[in-house]
Amino acid sequence: DAGVIQSPRHEVTEMGQEVTLRCKPISGHDYLFWYRQTMMRGLELLIYFNNNVPIDDSGMPEDRFSAKMPNASFSTLKIQPSEPRDSAVYFCASRPYSRFYTEAFFGQGTRLTVV
Amino acid sequence: GQQLNQSPQSMFIQEGEDVSMNCTSSSIFNTWLWYKQDPGEGPVLLIALYKAGELTSNGRLTAQFGITRKDSFLNISASIPSDVGIYFCAVSGGGSEKLVFGKGMKLTVNP
Repeated sequence: DAGVIQSPRHEVTEMGQEVTLRCKPISGHDYLFWYRQTMMRGLELLIYFNNNVPIDDSGMPEDRFSAKMPNASFSTLKIQPSEPRDSAVYFCASRPYSRFYTEAFFGQGTRLTVV
Repeated sequence: GQQLNQSPQSMFIQEGEDVSMNCTSSSIFNTWLWYKQDPGEGPVLLIALYKAGELTSNGRLTAQFGITRKDSFLNISASIPSDVGIYFCAVSGGGSEKLVFGKGMKLTVNP
């Protein structure tokens, strides 16, 4: 498997524009996580899905953020409208269901810059 | 929410030196994980710990899951330049399936 695939790797957009980040999890993985990384706050969990269903979105900062997982092989994180403070690296991660093992596999991230 | 205290926040060491870092929590967790992030990449799992008191090694890396289940440490022996990066602790458990990460420790190794 190619691992978790995120696109784009870099995104520069103007304030107020809509931004869509994409993620393809590892095939067969049941859980998908979206994280945001900044210098100030480190790695923050935004939302996670189990079998395509959103389980916990308590980390989503505002209504401007939304995430979907229409099928087991694709998820999107959308920011509308974007603001400069949204600038960060956004990571997607996935893992299979296991009663005992919980390590997650990360994509390479999308570096978002809002100007 | 759940918070992890990871220390130190950064370290500058000479090649060949050993380095130690730890994480503590006010809550009990069933799983402690250590990840490393290289520049421009996503975090990659180094070591996973699933039992209180467990001591696990992976090459030059050694990690332990504290007896109280509220802490863990990671040691790197005989550091080399490619050890540079950010090291994160992460936890899972307490009735949740999600991974919560510490703030990270940035390691610089001078050749």
